[in-house]
Amino acid sequence: GAGVSQTPSNKVTEKGKYVELRCDPISGHTALYWYRQSLGQGPEFLIYFQGTGAADDSGLPNDRFFAVRPEGSVSTLKIQRTERGDSAVYLCASSLQPGQGQETQYFGPGTRLLVL
Amino acid sequence: AQSVSQHNHHVILSEAASLELGCNYSYGGTVNLFWYVQYPGQHLQLLLKYFSGDPLVKGIKGFEAEFIKSKFSFNLRKPSVQWSDTAEYFCAVNARTGGFKTIFGAGTRLFVKA
Repeated sequence: GAGVSQTPSNKVTEKGKYVELRCDPISGHTALYWYRQSLGQGPEFLIYFQGTGAADDSGLPNDRFFAVRPEGSVSTLKIQRTERGDSAVYLCASSLQPGQGQETQYFGPGTRLLVL
Repeated sequence: AQSVSQHNHHVILSEAASLELGCNYSYGGTVNLFWYVQYPGQHLQLLLKYFSGDPLVKGIKGFEAEFIKSKFSFNLRKPSVQWSDTAEYFCAVNARTGGFKTIFGAGTRLFVKA
Protein backbone atom coordinates (compact mmCIF):
# COMPACT_ATOMS: atom_id res chain seq x y z
CA GLY A 1 0.00 0.00 0.00
CA ALA A 2 0.92 3.66 0.01
CA GLY A 3 3.59 4.90 2.35
CA VAL A 4 3.62 7.94 4.60
CA SER A 5 2.97 11.10 2.64
CA GLN A 6 3.71 14.68 3.62
CA THR A 7 2.56 17.94 2.13
CA PRO A 8 3.82 20.32 1.03
CA SER A 9 7.20 18.95 0.00
CA ASN A 10 8.67 22.43 0.24
CA LYS A 11 7.48 25.53 2.04
CA VAL A 12 9.04 28.98 1.93
CA THR A 13 7.65 31.56 4.32
CA GLU A 14 8.61 34.83 5.89
CA LYS A 15 9.65 35.35 9.47
CA GLY A 16 6.62 35.81 11.69
CA LYS A 17 4.18 33.91 9.49
CA TYR A 18 2.11 30.86 10.43
CA VAL A 19 2.62 27.51 8.69
CA GLU A 20 0.90 24.14 8.69
CA LEU A 21 2.57 20.91 7.68
CA ARG A 22 0.49 17.82 6.96
CA CYS A 23 1.21 14.14 7.42
CA ASP A 24 -0.82 11.20 6.10
CA PRO A 25 0.31 8.01 7.85
CA ILE A 26 0.10 4.49 6.52
CA SER A 27 -3.46 3.22 6.78
CA GLY A 28 -3.99 1.29 10.00
CA HIS A 29 -1.00 2.75 11.80
CA THR A 30 -2.11 4.11 15.14
CA ALA A 31 1.21 5.63 16.17
CA LEU A 32 2.47 8.83 14.54
CA TYR A 33 5.67 10.76 15.17
CA TRP A 34 7.00 14.15 14.14
CA TYR A 35 10.71 14.88 13.90
CA ARG A 36 12.78 17.88 12.84
CA GLN A 37 16.05 17.42 10.98
CA SER A 38 18.47 20.29 10.67
CA LEU A 39 21.37 20.26 8.25
CA GLY A 40 24.06 17.82 9.30
CA GLN A 41 22.01 16.40 12.16
CA GLY A 42 19.89 13.36 12.77
CA PRO A 43 16.13 13.55 13.23
CA GLU A 44 15.13 15.27 16.48
CA PHE A 45 11.99 13.97 18.19
CA LEU A 46 9.17 16.50 18.50
CA ILE A 47 5.94 14.71 19.39
CA TYR A 48 4.31 11.28 19.42
CA PHE A 49 0.61 10.48 18.96
CA GLN A 50 -1.13 7.29 19.95
CA GLY A 51 -4.49 7.55 18.22
CA THR A 52 -5.84 11.06 18.65
CA GLY A 53 -3.90 11.97 21.76
CA ALA A 54 -0.37 13.31 22.10
CA ALA A 55 1.27 10.70 24.33
CA ASP A 56 4.58 12.55 24.44
CA ASP A 57 5.11 16.15 23.33
CA SER A 58 8.32 16.69 25.27
CA GLY A 59 10.30 17.42 22.11
CA LEU A 60 8.31 20.46 21.02
CA PRO A 61 10.82 23.31 21.40
CA ASN A 62 8.40 25.98 22.61
CA ASP A 63 4.76 27.00 22.60
CA ARG A 64 4.94 28.24 19.00
CA PHE A 65 4.81 24.59 17.95
CA PHE A 66 1.60 22.59 18.15
CA ALA A 67 0.36 19.40 16.53
CA VAL A 68 -3.03 17.77 16.22
CA ARG A 69 -4.44 14.49 15.04
CA PRO A 70 -8.20 14.92 15.48
CA GLU A 71 -9.41 11.68 13.91
CA GLY A 72 -6.45 9.49 14.68
CA SER A 73 -5.17 9.48 11.12
CA VAL A 74 -3.91 12.66 9.42
CA SER A 75 -1.80 14.94 11.57
CA THR A 76 -0.95 18.62 11.21
CA LEU A 77 2.08 20.30 12.70
CA LYS A 78 1.47 23.99 13.25
CA ILE A 79 4.15 26.61 13.73
CA GLN A 80 3.20 30.13 14.79
CA ARG A 81 5.33 33.25 14.39
CA THR A 82 7.99 31.37 12.46
CA GLU A 83 11.64 32.21 13.04
CA ARG A 84 14.65 31.67 10.80
CA GLY A 85 15.86 28.99 13.21
CA ASP A 86 12.77 26.92 12.42
CA SER A 87 14.18 26.21 8.95
CA ALA A 88 14.67 22.46 8.70
CA VAL A 89 13.21 19.31 7.20
CA TYR A 90 10.16 18.17 9.16
CA LEU A 91 9.73 14.41 9.07
CA CYS A 92 6.70 12.36 9.91
CA ALA A 93 6.72 8.65 10.69
CA SER A 94 4.06 6.11 11.56
CA SER A 95 4.03 2.65 13.04
CA LEU A 96 1.57 -0.05 14.05
CA GLN A 97 0.14 0.02 17.53
CA PRO A 98 3.18 0.29 19.76
CA GLY A 99 4.28 -2.31 22.24
CA GLN A 100 7.44 -1.24 23.99
CA GLY A 101 8.96 1.09 21.43
CA GLN A 102 10.05 -1.81 19.28
CA GLU A 103 7.95 -1.12 16.23
CA THR A 104 9.50 -0.08 12.97
CA GLN A 105 8.81 3.53 12.14
CA TYR A 106 8.02 4.23 8.50
CA PHE A 107 9.15 7.68 7.44
CA GLY A 108 7.69 10.08 4.94
CA PRO A 109 9.70 12.19 2.50
CA GLY A 110 9.62 15.23 4.74
CA THR A 111 8.65 18.86 4.30
CA ARG A 112 11.54 21.23 3.75
CA LEU A 113 10.69 24.49 5.52
CA LEU A 114 12.63 27.65 4.79
CA VAL A 115 11.94 30.77 6.83
CA LEU A 116 13.29 33.92 5.25
CA ALA B 1 18.93 12.29 29.23
CA GLN B 2 19.40 9.86 26.42
CA SER B 3 21.98 10.61 23.75
CA VAL B 4 23.52 8.83 20.78
CA SER B 5 27.02 9.37 19.48
CA GLN B 6 28.19 8.30 16.05
CA HIS B 7 31.93 8.39 15.79
CA ASN B 8 32.40 9.15 12.12
CA HIS B 9 30.60 11.83 10.17
CA HIS B 10 32.03 10.81 6.82
CA VAL B 11 33.47 7.50 5.64
CA ILE B 12 34.89 6.76 2.20
CA LEU B 13 35.54 3.16 1.19
CA SER B 14 36.32 1.26 -1.96
CA GLU B 15 34.02 -1.53 -3.09
CA ALA B 16 34.64 -4.85 -1.31
CA ALA B 17 36.15 -3.13 1.72
CA SER B 18 34.77 -4.00 5.15
CA LEU B 19 32.64 -1.49 7.01
CA GLU B 20 32.20 -0.74 10.68
CA LEU B 21 30.29 2.32 11.87
CA GLY B 22 30.48 3.13 15.55
CA CYS B 23 27.51 4.00 17.74
CA ASN B 24 27.48 4.63 21.46
CA TYR B 25 24.45 5.59 23.49
CA SER B 26 23.92 7.07 26.88
CA TYR B 27 21.03 5.67 28.91
CA GLY B 28 20.91 3.78 32.15
CA GLY B 29 17.88 1.59 31.53
CA THR B 30 16.88 -1.10 29.09
CA VAL B 31 16.85 0.13 25.53
CA ASN B 32 15.76 -0.73 22.02
CA LEU B 33 18.40 -0.04 19.37
CA PHE B 34 18.03 0.71 15.67
CA TRP B 35 20.01 1.51 12.58
CA TYR B 36 18.22 3.47 9.87
CA VAL B 37 19.54 4.25 6.41
CA GLN B 38 18.75 7.00 3.95
CA TYR B 39 19.78 6.33 0.35
CA PRO B 40 20.17 9.35 -1.93
CA GLY B 41 16.75 10.74 -2.80
CA GLN B 42 14.89 8.23 -0.65
CA HIS B 43 13.15 8.17 2.72
CA LEU B 44 14.70 7.00 5.96
CA GLN B 45 14.19 3.25 6.27
CA LEU B 46 14.97 0.62 8.88
CA LEU B 47 18.14 -1.42 8.38
CA LEU B 48 17.94 -3.52 11.56
CA LYS B 49 16.85 -3.41 15.19
CA TYR B 50 17.68 -5.04 18.51
CA PHE B 51 15.42 -5.61 21.49
CA SER B 52 16.70 -8.66 23.33
CA GLY B 53 18.26 -12.08 22.85
CA ASP B 54 21.23 -12.70 20.58
CA PRO B 55 23.29 -9.49 20.66
CA LEU B 56 24.36 -10.03 17.05
CA VAL B 57 21.53 -8.83 14.86
CA LYS B 58 21.29 -9.37 11.12
CA GLY B 59 19.49 -6.89 8.90
CA ILE B 60 18.80 -6.31 5.26
CA LYS B 61 21.40 -6.20 2.50
CA GLY B 62 24.04 -8.12 4.45
CA PHE B 63 24.31 -5.65 7.34
CA GLU B 64 24.66 -6.74 10.94
CA ALA B 65 25.12 -5.00 14.27
CA GLU B 66 26.41 -6.14 17.63
CA PHE B 67 25.03 -4.92 20.94
CA ILE B 68 27.70 -4.75 23.64
CA LYS B 69 25.90 -3.78 26.83
CA SER B 70 29.05 -3.16 28.86
CA LYS B 71 30.25 -0.65 26.29
CA PHE B 72 26.84 0.91 25.55
CA SER B 73 27.62 0.28 21.90
CA PHE B 74 25.73 -0.90 18.85
CA ASN B 75 28.18 -0.88 15.96
CA LEU B 76 27.07 -1.57 12.40
CA ARG B 77 29.12 -3.87 10.18
CA LYS B 78 29.21 -5.24 6.67
CA PRO B 79 31.99 -7.52 5.44
CA SER B 80 32.07 -6.25 1.87
CA VAL B 81 30.46 -2.99 0.81
CA GLN B 82 28.99 -2.24 -2.60
CA TRP B 83 28.65 1.02 -4.49
CA SER B 84 24.90 0.83 -3.78
CA ASP B 85 25.59 1.10 -0.03
CA THR B 86 26.40 4.77 -0.51
CA ALA B 87 23.98 6.44 1.90
CA GLU B 88 23.63 8.13 5.28
CA TYR B 89 23.35 5.82 8.28
CA PHE B 90 21.68 6.76 11.56
CA CYS B 91 21.89 4.96 14.87
CA ALA B 92 18.86 5.41 17.15
CA VAL B 93 17.74 4.39 20.63
CA ASN B 94 14.60 4.48 22.72
CA ALA B 95 13.80 3.38 26.21
CA ARG B 96 12.09 0.01 26.64
CA THR B 97 9.63 1.54 29.09
CA GLY B 98 7.52 4.24 27.48
CA GLY B 99 9.87 4.04 24.53
CA PHE B 100 8.18 6.40 22.16
CA LYS B 101 10.81 9.13 22.17
CA THR B 102 13.45 7.85 19.79
CA ILE B 103 16.81 9.61 19.88
CA PHE B 104 18.91 9.62 16.71
CA GLY B 105 22.61 10.13 16.25
CA ALA B 106 23.92 12.79 13.89
CA GLY B 107 24.48 10.27 11.12
CA THR B 108 27.42 8.92 9.14
CA ARG B 109 27.68 9.61 5.44
CA LEU B 110 29.18 6.63 3.64
CA PHE B 111 30.55 6.97 0.12
CA VAL B 112 31.61 3.81 -1.65
CA LYS B 113 33.90 4.23 -4.63
CA ALA B 114 33.21 1.92 -7.54
